Amino acid sequence: SQQGEEDPQALSIQEGENATMNCSYKTSINNLQWYRQNSGRGLVHLILIRSNEREKHSGRLRVTLDTSKKSSSLLITASRAADTASYFCATKGGGSGNTGKLIFGQGTTLQVKP
Amino acid sequence: DAEITQSPRHKITETGRQVTLACHQTWNHNNMFWYRQDLGHGLRLIHYSYGVHDTNKGEVSDGYSVSRSNTEDLPLTLESAASSQTSVYFCASSESPGGTDTQYFGPGTRLTVL
Repeated sequence: SQQGEEDPQALSIQEGENATMNCSYKTSINNLQWYRQNSGRGLVHLILIRSNEREKHSGRLRVTLDTSKKSSSLLITASRAADTASYFCATKGGGSGNTGKLIFGQGTTLQVKP
Repeated sequence: DAEITQSPRHKITETGRQVTLACHQTWNHNNMFWYRQDLGHGLRLIHYSYGVHDTNKGEVSDGYSVSRSNTEDLPLTLESAASSQTSVYFCASSESPGGTDTQYFGPGTRLTVL
């Protein structure tokens, strides 16, 4: 079963606007990661937030994590046409039974119009 | 620079044939994973390995097998290809469990089974 569920499934904005994507998960986590996938390419790691962190920044990316609501959001500020891609959240399970696997959500497809 | 490669990038085969997809990484990572990506299903884990001679089934392992004879390679074999196995296949690797488990993805193999 899917651990991460992204919302919305698709998002279309104008260049310069901000884009916000949300991810919900079901069980305890060690960390949550966001990946980007350009059309026809493999996934690329963007940013990681640990379970004891609430907010993380990297360039134009801002990630928040609310462990009480089991949710995370990815904000891309001042979007560019090159940000057009699919974005996936992935969770690493918490606890001593950590198996090294990540559980991926189904992704949000972002289109940034020039 | 370290990388992860997949071959072939595109493959067309016929139902019933055996097909092997190659994955090679130069990160010296212990963990390697195979996923398939289909519309509406996101990434689904097929098989994974935590080291040489270790292999484990993922959530959609039926009809697939892997073997790990060295650190760098994890070939994926479709024993008797079926049309339902038409998909895009991604290989990924990560460091040993206990780290962040950030995964590095190959460029993917698009497989069509006729």
